[in-house]
Amino acid sequence: DADVTQTPRNRITKTGKRIMLECSQTKGHDRMYWYRQDPGLGLRLIYYSFDVKDINKGEISDGYSVSRQAQAKFSLSLESAIPNQTALYFCATSDVTSSGTHEQYFGPGTRLTVT
Amino acid sequence: KNQVEQSPQSLIILEGKNCTLQCNYTVSPFSNLRWYKQDTGRGPVSLTIMTFSENTKSNGRYTATLDADTKQSSLHITASQLSDSASYICVVSSHNYGQNFVFGPGTRLSVLP
Repeated sequence: DADVTQTPRNRITKTGKRIMLECSQTKGHDRMYWYRQDPGLGLRLIYYSFDVKDINKGEISDGYSVSRQAQAKFSLSLESAIPNQTALYFCATSDVTSSGTHEQYFGPGTRLTVT
Repeated sequence: KNQVEQSPQSLIILEGKNCTLQCNYTVSPFSNLRWYKQDTGRGPVSLTIMTFSENTKSNGRYTATLDADTKQSSLHITASQLSDSASYICVVSSHNYGQNFVFGPGTRLSVLP
């Protein structure tokens, strides 16, 4: 089984709808992240969490919210979806390596289309 | 502004050939640099990670170099295989707290038979 899973894998929704993307991990990591990826751009950080109930805004948090109710789960919500939120969304976890750096592990991604 | 640039944007090579991908960054202070491989429709997977004191690191047919003085890195792929077709992403972290990863846009590599 995959260590970081995302549901749904694909979603088409209409403008104005509320949508939630789920991320679960079995790696036991405290740190979790949500990114979006657009063609020609690098992954951009939406929100991150270092522990349960800990929430921090990333580079592009406007229009998004997150919830971290358990160590293994980190959900991303679009309160009122708009077309420019059409993108590939990735969840990631990280932990400290033996060399003291953080290694990130990514989920398979959710392709979201807002019409 | 912390930025990571990669070149070329895309590259097509024949199976068995070597290639080199480039990464330039302006992230400061520098902590470490990673190269990820991202297959189409999948999440990025780490290939190598280098800290300030390391100037080369290999992972099978992948060899990454780092010049922290010029803020440049390269990823060399030897004897390419069809399965190397993917996007290769350079990521620079400015410290070890995990939230400040700056991602490059990636280089799309296509290996043809």
